[in-house]
Amino acid sequence: AQSVAQPEDQVNVAEGNPLTVKCTYSVSGNPYLFWYVQYPNRGLQFLLKYITGDNLVKGSYGFEAEFNKSQTSFHLKKPSALVSDSALYFCAVRDQGSYIPTFGRGTSLIVHP
Amino acid sequence: EAGVAQSPRYKIIEKRQSVAFWCNPISGHATLYWYQQILGQGPKLLIQFQNNGVVDDSQLPKDRFSAERLKGVDSTLKIQPAKLEDSAVYLCASSFFDRDYEQYFGPGTRLTVT
Repeated sequence: AQSVAQPEDQVNVAEGNPLTVKCTYSVSGNPYLFWYVQYPNRGLQFLLKYITGDNLVKGSYGFEAEFNKSQTSFHLKKPSALVSDSALYFCAVRDQGSYIPTFGRGTSLIVHP
Repeated sequence: EAGVAQSPRYKIIEKRQSVAFWCNPISGHATLYWYQQILGQGPKLLIQFQNNGVVDDSQLPKDRFSAERLKGVDSTLKIQPAKLEDSAVYLCASSFFDRDYEQYFGPGTRLTVT
């Protein structure tokens, strides 16, 4: 079975500060890992993925994530937060041998001016 | 480029009634997905199509839910009869068949069952 945990329901950060949204996962095989963002009244948008290769993955809008196999984590990061980054962020995992992704419950990111 | 289209955007029905949702994927995307997102939870995959064939429907409650993609483009998801616990947002997504890790989502249909 595969699972994803996003331990924080909400993350608050001041504009210009670095941000981290946490994600840990569990799969039986090798993981495919993803981050999606959901802005109010809009569909989910793909941010970035880890399939294989470099553990540091860069994605859209200046976001990046680091795959840490020993800690089974895939935290989302950005060096300098913008107010426009305020949204709901979902981490997802899929076992390499499965078609079914499992999404976390989501973390609400609030960036204060 | 047009995104994934879904209709209706909102639907309110009484329990035991039936309802259907429609999805038009991005042109050229062979793979289409239907997800259910209950309030406060992440999306849950219900069914995945590759062209007009089903890749995975293991999480689709087949006693009441059905889905089809007859011509490999548009798709419909039906619930009959609806239960209170079916209240959720139903999301459609699509992707290129060889890039299923990068899915494009529609705005969703918010279903309320009373």
